[in-house]
Amino acid sequence: DAGVTQSPTHLIKTRGQHVTLRCSPISGHKSVSWYQQVLGQGPQFIFQYYEKEERGRGNFPDRFSARQFPNYSSELNVNALLLGDSALYLCASSLLDSDYGYTFGSGTRLTVV
Amino acid sequence: ELKVEQNPLFLSMQEGKNYTIYCNYSTTSDRLYWYRQDPGKSLESLFVLLSNGAVKQEGRLMASLDTKARLSTLHITAAVHDLSATYFCVGSNYKLTFGKGTLLTVNP
Repeated sequence: DAGVTQSPTHLIKTRGQHVTLRCSPISGHKSVSWYQQVLGQGPQFIFQYYEKEERGRGNFPDRFSARQFPNYSSELNVNALLLGDSALYLCASSLLDSDYGYTFGSGTRLTVV
Repeated sequence: ELKVEQNPLFLSMQEGKNYTIYCNYSTTSDRLYWYRQDPGKSLESLFVLLSNGAVKQEGRLMASLDTKARLSTLHITAAVHDLSATYFCVGSNYKLTFGKGTLLTVNP
């Protein structure tokens, strides 16, 4: 079975640009969450989507947005990139309120220069 | 708001020794997870703890949960080099709240 797939794996962008990150969950998982992990820190919650509806949002500016598609894949969009947005962006899929944990993708490493 | 604190943040062990990582959380958490992360890699689920008194073991790692004390522990028995990684304690209340992680280094 395919795990959680994220694309691209690495990305370099210039300050002020826009970026779109993509995530495909495990088959059968309807919940997708996004996390930002800055080097040396634990991941921080950005968004959770379930059945195409936003279920929760972390403490991130409005430059960050996301959506979930009918096939449960998801996009994370970040506008007006700042140097501080450089991080590993992780997508996690799960059954809702999962007793089996969350499965994370390999992440997208975003570097803003 | 749920807060998760781990200690120690850095742990250097000798092979063959035992040690425990402690995780305290501030408010009710639906579930408690432990994840492992190798450098530059994603997160690997180790344990899901669902209820008070839960104890789970996998190889040299054992995790426990005391919901009354809001405490979880990750015990390492007879450490080996392959266990070197960062370990995260994670609370859950619709979103995952991560501790800062414990960087474990096992030396020969």
